[in-house]
Amino acid sequence: EDQVTQSPEALRLQEGESSSLNCSYTVSGLRGLFWYRQDPGKGPEFLFTLYSAGEEKEKERLKATLTKKESFLHITAPKPEDSATYLCAVPTHGQNFVFGPGTRLSVLP
Amino acid sequence: KAGVTQTPRYLIKTRGQQVTLSCSPISGHRSVSWYQQTPGQGLQFLFEYFSETQRNKGNFPGRFSGRQFSNSRSEMNVSTLELGDSALYLCASSIGTGSREQYFGPGTRLTVT
Repeated sequence: EDQVTQSPEALRLQEGESSSLNCSYTVSGLRGLFWYRQDPGKGPEFLFTLYSAGEEKEKERLKATLTKKESFLHITAPKPEDSATYLCAVPTHGQNFVFGPGTRLSVLP
Repeated sequence: KAGVTQTPRYLIKTRGQQVTLSCSPISGHRSVSWYQQTPGQGLQFLFEYFSETQRNKGNFPGRFSGRQFSNSRSEMNVSTLELGDSALYLCASSIGTGSREQYFGPGTRLTVT
C-alpha cells in the first residue's frame, strides 16, 4: 500500500535555528514528490516538486532534497513567518495524491 | 491571475441534510480535485475531475459525489450528512492530470450538528 509518513509531528525552533523535516514514502514507481505549506485556516500552498533522487530545489530559506526513499525539507535560519504545517505528497495510480500527516513547525522569536 | 475560489467558506448543517460545495479553478486549469481534511485523518483524496469526467475516486462512500461543468467549475455534494462529515473540504486545480502541482482554494469549513 502506498504510504507517506512525516517526522517529527511537531517542531519548535528558535528564530535562526536551522533544522530539517523528513518525509518518507513507500510507493511503486515514484512520479514526483510534492511539498506544500499550510497556514491555519487556509488551503495548502505549493512549494516544490522533486522527481528524481539527488534532485534539490530551493526557495528563500527552504531547500528540498530527494533520495530513493525519503525527502528532506531543510529550513535555514528560520523566521517566525515560517511557522506553518508542512505537508508532503506523492501521486499514486488510482488514488491521485496521498498526503503525509504533516509537520507542524513553530518558530519562536 | 485569480486563485482557486470556493463557496461557501463556512457552512453549518444538520445530520441527514445534504450539502453542495462549489469550486472555481484557476483560469486555464482543467483538472479539479477535492479533498477532505480532518485533524484525525489529515488530507484525504475524494475525487478528481478533468474535462467534465471523473478520473479518479478515493475511498469514500457513495454519499459523496461531484461533477464538473464545461467551464471547469466543479461542485461536490454530500447527501445524508453524518457528524463525521464535519471537516475542511478543499478544492485544488491543476493544468492537467497526472503528476503535477496543485493549487488549493481556501476550503469550505463544514460543521454537521
